[in-house]
Amino acid sequence: AQKVTQAQTEISVVEKEDVTLDCVYETRDTTYYLFWYKQPPSGELVFLIRRNSFDEQNEISGRYSWNFQKSTSSFNFTITASQVVDSAVYFCALSGYSTLTFGKGTMLLVSP
Amino acid sequence: EAGVAQSPRYKIIEKRQSVAFWCNPISGHATLYWYQQILGQGPKLLIQFQNNGVVDDSQLPKDRFSAERLKGVDSTLKIQPAKLEDSAVYLCASSLVSRGNEQFFGPGTRLTVL
Repeated sequence: AQKVTQAQTEISVVEKEDVTLDCVYETRDTTYYLFWYKQPPSGELVFLIRRNSFDEQNEISGRYSWNFQKSTSSFNFTITASQVVDSAVYFCALSGYSTLTFGKGTMLLVSP
Repeated sequence: EAGVAQSPRYKIIEKRQSVAFWCNPISGHATLYWYQQILGQGPKLLIQFQNNGVVDDSQLPKDRFSAERLKGVDSTLKIQPAKLEDSAVYLCASSLVSRGNEQFFGPGTRLTVL
């Protein structure tokens, strides 16, 4: 069985602060994929990033960066200089040989 | 490129009534998924289709839920009869292939069962 844990239920920051969302996963599969999705108040899930288990390179996309550490089974997501528009629920998800499993999500509130 | 379309966006019914949701995936996407998202939780897969065949329906409450994907394109999810605990957002997603590819989600249907 696979499992995704997002221990932070809700995070509140002030605009321009940096924030890191934690994600820890469990799987017995040797090949797997990790994802982050954003769900703004409108409700539609928006794909942010995919990582396969063989690629531990960190990735940066604008203000977003991801840190994948296989040794600790973590795939953390950092937003640099947060903005009000970043306010949303963020989901980490895992796909091994079975279906996509989502964490419970972290609600990020960015206030002006 | 058009995204995943879902209708209706909102539905309110009384318990024991039936309801149906429709989904049209992104053109060319062979794999279609239905998820249930209860408030405060992540989406939970109900059923996965590859073309018009079912790949995984292990978490679908088959006594009341049914889904079909005739002709391998659009899909319908039905609940009959609905229970209070079925109140949730029902999300449809599609992907090019089933494993490892990002899934593209529709706006969802918010169901309220009274």
